[in-house]
Amino acid sequence: AQSVSQHNHHVILSEAASLELGCNYSYGGTVNLFWYVQYPGQHLQLLLKYFSGDPLVKGIKGFEAEFIKSKFSFNLRKPSVQWSDTAEYFCAAYNQGGKLIFGQGTELSVKP
Amino acid sequence: KAGVTQTPRYLIKTRGQQVTLSCSPISGHRSVSWYQQTPGQGLQFLFEYFSETQRNKGNFPGRFSGRQFSNSRSEMNVSTLELGDSALYLCASSFDGNYEQYFGPGTRLTVT
Repeated sequence: AQSVSQHNHHVILSEAASLELGCNYSYGGTVNLFWYVQYPGQHLQLLLKYFSGDPLVKGIKGFEAEFIKSKFSFNLRKPSVQWSDTAEYFCAAYNQGGKLIFGQGTELSVKP
Repeated sequence: KAGVTQTPRYLIKTRGQQVTLSCSPISGHRSVSWYQQTPGQGLQFLFEYFSETQRNKGNFPGRFSGRQFSNSRSEMNVSTLELGDSALYLCASSFDGNYEQYFGPGTRLTVT
């Protein structure tokens, strides 16, 4: 079955540390990829998206992600995290059936 | 532009009852998708409606159904509620299915 997997369930970092959250999807072909964030008590918000073109995409709040087709990966990065980045992060992809499939989510805790 | 709105925000029902949840998409968005979010299963796709037609369906039993009206507003219905249906139900709208989706705040359903 087509799936999206996120490597880390819970990541704990100190402020100013660098962040990389892994995401892999299981199918080839044209793929639309997304990272969403859910801050405590808030609804899901789009961080960034990749449809085509430059594989390095920049999103809001200093986040970026790199699409590596050969590795079926779309990892999320941020050079220096802040306490306000504490949230749950979801990677998602449209599968070939047109359904948006989410990874299990990664909970990020940033210590001040 | 107003965001996606969902009503009600919280709901408590008893096993065996049925429930109807409502979603109003962003103006101009024709696609509405529904998701179930639980701690154990994460975000799971329920179904997608586009121009009043169900275009995609996830792996949920027939107790879960939905519809979309001519103004793109959507409702989902769960009949014969089970304890395991307790979850956050999220609605998302997009211009078309494969574009980025914008999520509402969700309806927290508790089944007792």
